[in-house]
Amino acid sequence: DTGVSQNPRHKITKRGQNVTFRCDPISEHNRLYWYRQTLGQGPEFLTYFQNEAQLEKSRLLSDRFSAERPKGSFSTLEIQRTEQGDSAMYLCASSRGGNQPQHFGDGTRLSIL
Amino acid sequence: AQSVSQHNHHVILSEAASLELGCNYSYGGTVNLFWYVQYPGQHLQLLLKYFSGDPLVKGIKGFEAEFIKSKFSFNLRKPSVQWSDTAEYFCAAAGGTSYGKLTFGQGTILTVHP
Repeated sequence: DTGVSQNPRHKITKRGQNVTFRCDPISEHNRLYWYRQTLGQGPEFLTYFQNEAQLEKSRLLSDRFSAERPKGSFSTLEIQRTEQGDSAMYLCASSRGGNQPQHFGDGTRLSIL
Repeated sequence: AQSVSQHNHHVILSEAASLELGCNYSYGGTVNLFWYVQYPGQHLQLLLKYFSGDPLVKGIKGFEAEFIKSKFSFNLRKPSVQWSDTAEYFCAAAGGTSYGKLTFGQGTILTVHP
């Protein structure tokens, strides 16, 4: 169990730029989740995948956000035309199934200048 | 709407004191409940979980939680805290029509003084 890996750990960008984050789940975990956490709050659900299928998206996920998991392994989360309000910690988690505990990565902290 | 609320934002204790962190949830139907902990500079880690059965669940590091359905509560307890328990604690729930998707409380920061 090598854990959930997220890259980069920290991303600083100017408003209006596009950013992409990567998440490598624990191998053989078929579920992968993305959450967003802002200061003083708990993580908020964004979206999740069962293998390569994206099964649910939160209303928090505007049209500027897109997530993929093309081969059912790693996933990417892209934010286009970043805004100040996108500054947050983006967390990835994986699990063996819907009722199994989720294992979290260290997150990618996004800072918008 | 599904929601989880934690009663305290910041709790300060001395070593050996007893701990109870409150968590209430609002969910329709069957619910799975979790407590996660985040130590400084580390990722979220699962402390314990409740799916069904015995409402008193035991987790790692001497933590336990009690599911009280009538009160929609899942409070976290530890009889005697240690300095190393200093961390942020999150209550979370999954259920309804979307098993797996976690709804988190806002977190409780626990500071334990030696």
